Amino acid sequence: SQQGEEDPQALSIQEGENATMNCSYKTSINNLQWYRQNSGRGLVHLILIRSNEREKHSGRLRVTLDTSKKSSSLLITASRAADTASYFCATDNAGNMLTFGGGTRLMVKP
Amino acid sequence: KAGVTQTPRYLIKTRGQQVTLSCSPISGHRSVSWYQQTPGQGLQFLFEYFSETQRNKGNFPGRFSGRQFSNSRSEMNVSTLELGDSALYLCASSLIPGGGSYEQYFGPGTRLTVT
Repeated sequence: SQQGEEDPQALSIQEGENATMNCSYKTSINNLQWYRQNSGRGLVHLILIRSNEREKHSGRLRVTLDTSKKSSSLLITASRAADTASYFCATDNAGNMLTFGGGTRLMVKP
Repeated sequence: KAGVTQTPRYLIKTRGQQVTLSCSPISGHRSVSWYQQTPGQGLQFLFEYFSETQRNKGNFPGRFSGRQFSNSRSEMNVSTLELGDSALYLCASSLIPGGGSYEQYFGPGTRLTVT
């Protein structure tokens, strides 16, 4: 079963706009990761945030983590058509195996 | 460095048959994990191997098995295939086990279709 829920399930924006995706999870975690997947291909690791961190940046990506609310958000700034993909959050809890959310399908229109 | 490779990329099998999928991790990576992705269940963890030992196993029936060789290459096997086994099977490698503490690098996947 999946650890978390992602919201929204689908998001459509114009190029240049920001995209925000949210992830909620159920159990305590060691860390949370975000991945991107293009059209049924492999997953690309975007960013890892540890349970004792609140915010992390990587290029146009900003991730926040609120362990009290068991939630995380991924912000993509100044989106590009090439950002069109599905985005997944994944949690690492005591079992040392990634548990993925259902994903957000992002469409960036040129 | 070459990425994670998976073979074959596409496979069509008939119900009742068995299948073996192969994964070669990034050079130097010793942990290999397998995931199943379906439209209905999403991404689900199958198992993780490190130093030829299965360290963790997800909630899948015994028809799903795997192994890891001394060169860290891994195979997974599904016996007595069912229609519901149609999925994208993804392999991921990481430097050390407990991949969640380190990046997991995913391969392109093997698309299995069971007819």
